[in-house]
Amino acid sequence: NAGVMQNPRHLVRRRGQEARLRCSPMKGHSHVYWYRQLPEEGLKFMVYLQKENIIDESGMPKERFSAEFPKEGPSILRIQQVVRGDSAAYFCASSFGRVAYEQYFGPGTRLTVT
Amino acid sequence: DQQVKQNSPSLSVQEGRISILNCDYTNSMFDYFLWYKKYPAEGPTFLISISSIKDKNEDGRFTVFLNKSAKHLSLHIVPSQPGDSAVYFCAASGKGAQKLVFGQGTRLTINP
Repeated sequence: NAGVMQNPRHLVRRRGQEARLRCSPMKGHSHVYWYRQLPEEGLKFMVYLQKENIIDESGMPKERFSAEFPKEGPSILRIQQVVRGDSAAYFCASSFGRVAYEQYFGPGTRLTVT
Repeated sequence: DQQVKQNSPSLSVQEGRISILNCDYTNSMFDYFLWYKKYPAEGPTFLISISSIKDKNEDGRFTVFLNKSAKHLSLHIVPSQPGDSAVYFCAASGKGAQKLVFGQGTRLTINP
């Protein structure tokens, strides 16, 4: 049973470009969470999605960031017009049910904005 | 507003000894607590958890203690092994909540 997959593992973008991060949850999991880890900090919750629905986006910055989890395909975290402060590791987690403590994490995407 | 705090950024322990990692929280609505272990360039891996109705949970070399009155939990690793060298994150969840709230992490180094 494959774990949570994230791609790309490393992404370099120049200021003003768009970044697209993909997450494929574990087989059978329909709940996806995105977290961001800034250097030397813990993980910070961004958004929680179920198939075709955003359930909780309380941790998402108000502008430039969006997330989706379509009926088919991976979940996408999109960052428009990236700035240097967006440089971080972005982790996706998935769960089978609506239980926060059964989250399995992917390896992360390291975004570097130059 | 840091609701989960790990006040020790790093900890160094000799192989074979006990490692004790600490975590404090401020939100009394948290009812489930977890420890994750993270190696460089990898995602966090679940280690052990405890519900607020318990004060201790043990799994092999790992034991988590919860002191609700002090809003404090700790992770004990005994005996410590070189493979335990990693960053350890404490996390908490509120009843019915889907998101995890993480501490800043403690880097544990086990010296041979």
